[in-house]
Amino acid sequence: DQQVKQNSPSLSVQEGRISILNCDYTNSMFDYFLWYKKYPAEGPTFLISISSIKDKNEDGRFTVFLNKSAKHLSLHIVPSQPGDSAVYFCAASVNTGFQKLVFGTGTRLLVSP
Amino acid sequence: DVKVTQSSRYLVKRTGEKVFLECVQDMDHENMFWYRQDPGLGLRLIYFSYDVKMKEKGDIPEGYSVSREKKERFSLILESASTNQTSMYLCASSLSVEGAFFGQGTRLTVV
Repeated sequence: DQQVKQNSPSLSVQEGRISILNCDYTNSMFDYFLWYKKYPAEGPTFLISISSIKDKNEDGRFTVFLNKSAKHLSLHIVPSQPGDSAVYFCAASVNTGFQKLVFGTGTRLLVSP
Repeated sequence: DVKVTQSSRYLVKRTGEKVFLECVQDMDHENMFWYRQDPGLGLRLIYFSYDVKMKEKGDIPEGYSVSREKKERFSLILESASTNQTSMYLCASSLSVEGAFFGQGTRLTVV
C-alpha cells in the first residue's frame, strides 16, 4: 500500500523553464511533508519542507505547494538549471516524535541546456 | 554540518553470509533509520531507533536486525544474506521534524 505516490517516473525540462514535480498521499494523518534531492551514488539531501498548517513554502528557486483537500503537493523549481538534474523524492510524516518518513518512488528530473 | 557516515560505499557478499552495515552520526541525534532504495520502489524503511537500545520495525524488517548500543552508532545486520537483499542501503539520523540527514549509501551486492 503506497501511502505516498509520485506518478511521474521522469520529467524533462529545458533550462530556464519551470519544473513541476507532483506528489499525492493517502494518509490524512500526515502533517509534515518534505522534498529530497538525490544524485547518483549519493544519499538524499533535504531540499524543502512544509507543515500541514501552511499551503505554500518558498526557498529561493524552490516552492512547495500543499493542497490538503486533494492530498496533493507539488514542488516548483523556477528557473530550472542543469544542476537540478537529479531524482526527487517526496516524503511525509506523522509528527509522533519519531519523524518516521514515508517516501514516494521518486521522479527523475532532467534539465537540458 | 551534520555528518552521517556509512562504513562502506560498495560491498559484495555471498549468499548465506552474515553482513554488518555500520552507520555513525556526529550530531547527537536521537533518531536513526535504515532504508533501502530500489528502482521503482523509492526508499523503504527497514528499522528505526529513537534511543539507545531502542528499536522499532519499519515496513520491511524481514531478514534484517539492528543494534544501537551507543547513541551515535546504528548497525544493520543481515542475518543470512540473500540475493533479494541486493540493494542500496541508506542510513539517516534526525533530531526534529525538519527531516532526516542521510549518509552516502552502501551499494550491497549479494552473489
